[in-house]
Amino acid sequence: QQQVKQSPQSLIVQKGGISIINCAYENTAFDYFPWYQQFPGKGPALLIAIRPDVSEKKEGRFTISFNKSAKQFSLHIMDSQPGDSATYFCAATIGSSNYKLTFGKGTLLTVNP
Amino acid sequence: GAVVSQHPSRVICKSGTSVKIECRSLDFQATTMFWYRQFPKQSLMLMATSNEGSKATYEQGVEKDKFLINHASLTLSTLTVTSAHPEDSSFYICSASRMPRPYEQYFGPGTRLTVT
Repeated sequence: QQQVKQSPQSLIVQKGGISIINCAYENTAFDYFPWYQQFPGKGPALLIAIRPDVSEKKEGRFTISFNKSAKQFSLHIMDSQPGDSATYFCAATIGSSNYKLTFGKGTLLTVNP
Repeated sequence: GAVVSQHPSRVICKSGTSVKIECRSLDFQATTMFWYRQFPKQSLMLMATSNEGSKATYEQGVEKDKFLINHASLTLSTLTVTSAHPEDSSFYICSASRMPRPYEQYFGPGTRLTVT
């Protein structure tokens, strides 16, 4: 059973545009929601993360919006650049589970120059 | 900080042989290490969780006798794929977490295993 649903599966954005990736979760016990960026043949890198007591977190061009009542969170990439082209994974974890991550299926982002 | 390395980055082995993959936290002591496998264009699947000095906890469906995990120190964990078969070919990635932020996982660069 997939506990974190991610959409879209792929996304094409023009340079300078806004990329938006959405995730929805089912387990209300999740208490930490990170986003990872992965380039081909590399391991994922932590991009930004949020806790459910905060509705928004911004770091540079990356923003997480969190809607606890809807059990949804999203990643916004402002002023998207070709170098942002990668696969993005949302994830969720519970402290009581030894912080095991449950990943979404990923979104392949392509930013055209 | 929080750099995780893996060795080797690529390995090719023959069917029936065993292969060991090392995961090291280079600049921190890892309280917990995780092992994942990832098939092409798919998400990461957690295989097991290990704490230093303790037996690894395997996810449902992962054969513990086939995927041996040893977490001998706070900076080193190893994954041994025993009697490898072509279907074990995959991208294996480890991650590590540390105190006081155990919820943050730092991933290694991955190991591409090809079994011929």
